Amino acid sequence: KAGVTQTPRYLIKTRGQQVTLSCSPISGHRSVSWYQQTPGQGLQFLFEYFSETQRNKGNFPGRFSGRQFSNSRSEMNVSTLELGDSALYLCASEDRLTDTQYFGPGTRLTVL
Amino acid sequence: GDSVTQMEGPVTLSEEAFLTINCTYTATGYPSLFWYVQYPGEGLQLLLKATKADDKGSNKGFEATYRKETTSFHLEKGSVQVSDSAVYFCALSNSGYALNFGKGTSLLVTP
Repeated sequence: KAGVTQTPRYLIKTRGQQVTLSCSPISGHRSVSWYQQTPGQGLQFLFEYFSETQRNKGNFPGRFSGRQFSNSRSEMNVSTLELGDSALYLCASEDRLTDTQYFGPGTRLTVL
Repeated sequence: GDSVTQMEGPVTLSEEAFLTINCTYTATGYPSLFWYVQYPGEGLQLLLKATKADDKGSNKGFEATYRKETTSFHLEKGSVQVSDSAVYFCALSNSGYALNFGKGTSLLVTP
């Protein structure tokens, strides 16, 4: 099976702009989670989607949002970008039978 | 709330040395425990997992045993290689909720 794919791999934006990141889970997986990774805060949970519904949400401001489509592909959006949003954004696809998450390569976002 | 504590890095070892990376956790109930590895410029790869007390996860020569009495899940490898140089993350998942990660331990193996 193909793994989790994320596009784009790299993004450079300026403060105030918005950005959309995309994630395609492993075929058959219906749950997708998003994480932010920074040197200072480490890996932090953003939100989880299952069958097009947000099931859980981490402690992030409302500028961070996401959605999931009927084919399980997911997007996350960050509006009004701040310098502190520079991070590696990781998408994970969950095998609910084994309670195991498999990660994509990430999207490296740089905010200037 | 749930939390994971890992030993601080970086850890520097010579090739063929024995590796231990300590991981302890705080959680209610019976979480599943994981080790993930991240190579430079890449995402996280699942290394091994354990879902209940006394389970041993193993993969590619790495092992970790779920110790409920000491709330630990230490990662070990008998003989490290240069290619094992990476950052290792211990994580837990409780009741199917999001993964809760430790800060990560950087490992550098020198020839």
